[in-house]
Amino acid sequence: AQSVTQLGSHVSVSEGALVLLRCNYSSSVPPYLFWYVQYPNQGLQLLLKYTTGATLVKGINGFEAEFKKSETSFHLTKPSAHMSDAAEYFCAVTTNTGNQFYFGTGTSLTVIP
Amino acid sequence: ETGVTQSPTHLIKTRGQQVTLRCSSQSGHNTVSWYQQALGQGPQFIFQYYREEENGRGNFPPRFSGLQFPNYSSELNVNALELDDSALYLCASSLGLRQETQYFGPGTRLLVL
Repeated sequence: AQSVTQLGSHVSVSEGALVLLRCNYSSSVPPYLFWYVQYPNQGLQLLLKYTTGATLVKGINGFEAEFKKSETSFHLTKPSAHMSDAAEYFCAVTTNTGNQFYFGTGTSLTVIP
Repeated sequence: ETGVTQSPTHLIKTRGQQVTLRCSSQSGHNTVSWYQQALGQGPQFIFQYYREEENGRGNFPPRFSGLQFPNYSSELNVNALELDDSALYLCASSLGLRQETQYFGPGTRLLVL
């Protein structure tokens, strides 16, 4: 079975500061890992995903994440926060044989001007 | 290439009623998954349909049922609505059982009074 833990339900950063959203996963088989962003009253937009290959994954809007198997982590980062990054972020895990995504409880990102 | 679409966007029902939500898959995708996202929570897997057959179900009661049609569009039906069914319902389509190809629709927000 798989599961995801997102540390910190609320994160605040100043505009221009580093964004770091934490995600740890549990999986008995090699995982596929995803980060989604959700703006108020909208669906989920895929930011980036890791399936196989390079462990540093670059996504949209300047976000990137690194798969660290030894730490069972897939933290999301962005060098410089923008006001438009304020949203809810979800980490999710599945596998190549799984039939569902397991989501974390989400991290709400606030960007302070 | 069209994305995943869902209808209606919003819906208000009263306790005890029945509701049908609809989803059209992304072009070329033959698998549909449904998720329930309660306020302030991550999405929870309801079930998945692959080639018109149910292919896995989460921890939801039988009053949550689904269908997938030959054109791979899908319906989620919920009978005997309860107040706790109020949530955003997300549909996602994928190519076969390749989870990494999954994309989400914008969701249907259901309010049960």
